[in-house]
Amino acid sequence: EVQLEESGGGLIQPGGSLRLSCAASGFTVSSKYMNWVRQAPGKGLEWVSVIFSSGSTYYADSVKGRFAISRDNSKNTLYLQMNSLRAEDTAVYYCARDQWLGSYYFDLWGRGTLVTVSS
Amino acid sequence: QSAPTQPASVSGSPGQSITISCTGTSSDVGSYNYVSWYQQHPGKAPNLIIYGVSSRPSGVPDRFSGSKSGNTASLTISGLQSEDEADYYCSSYTSTSTPVFGTGTKVSVL
Repeated sequence: EVQLEESGGGLIQPGGSLRLSCAASGFTVSSKYMNWVRQAPGKGLEWVSVIFSSGSTYYADSVKGRFAISRDNSKNTLYLQMNSLRAEDTAVYYCARDQWLGSYYFDLWGRGTLVTVSS
Repeated sequence: QSAPTQPASVSGSPGQSITISCTGTSSDVGSYNYVSWYQQHPGKAPNLIIYGVSSRPSGVPDRFSGSKSGNTASLTISGLQSEDEADYYCSSYTSTSTPVFGTGTKVSVL
């Protein structure tokens, strides 16, 4: 079955770090453009980051310099390393696949993992 | 990059048609045909229902249709059904080579 499953969310204090994981099955992460999208409680969707099949990475201005996207091809898993976390980073984080390779059409989503930044 | 503007809410009766607008700028919606739409039910992940302005993924009912004129993209739901009650988001490719989501629209079926 083709699916994505996020993990790693939780409660973290401001200034702290957290690493999210997104395990893929049914397809190869390294052959697609993989993204992270977040949604603050009661708010809309916000694109966070992408890693191309080539390995190039891009970030939203709101997380640039603090977050890092990566993947482990041997584990077929996508990651999001989040540092210097702020209250405004509180959100459900989804990993999403773009199989159109750069058109940013997200045809497969995980269920999401909740990150709460609070003291 | 500012989010394209969508109406906060749209409502209709079963069987009616409704249209949701997504107004961006010449830096996103107006310059690219990489517009997509997502349906999101409460507590669930978004689901792609339109891509490339007007194409439907396999399995999406043909009640859903998309179009674009200038800086505004639109999603039309024909023959509104109770299960269409959800939040809807547009998304567009932008001049910074990254995507931007619209502000979102809550659809209510009366």
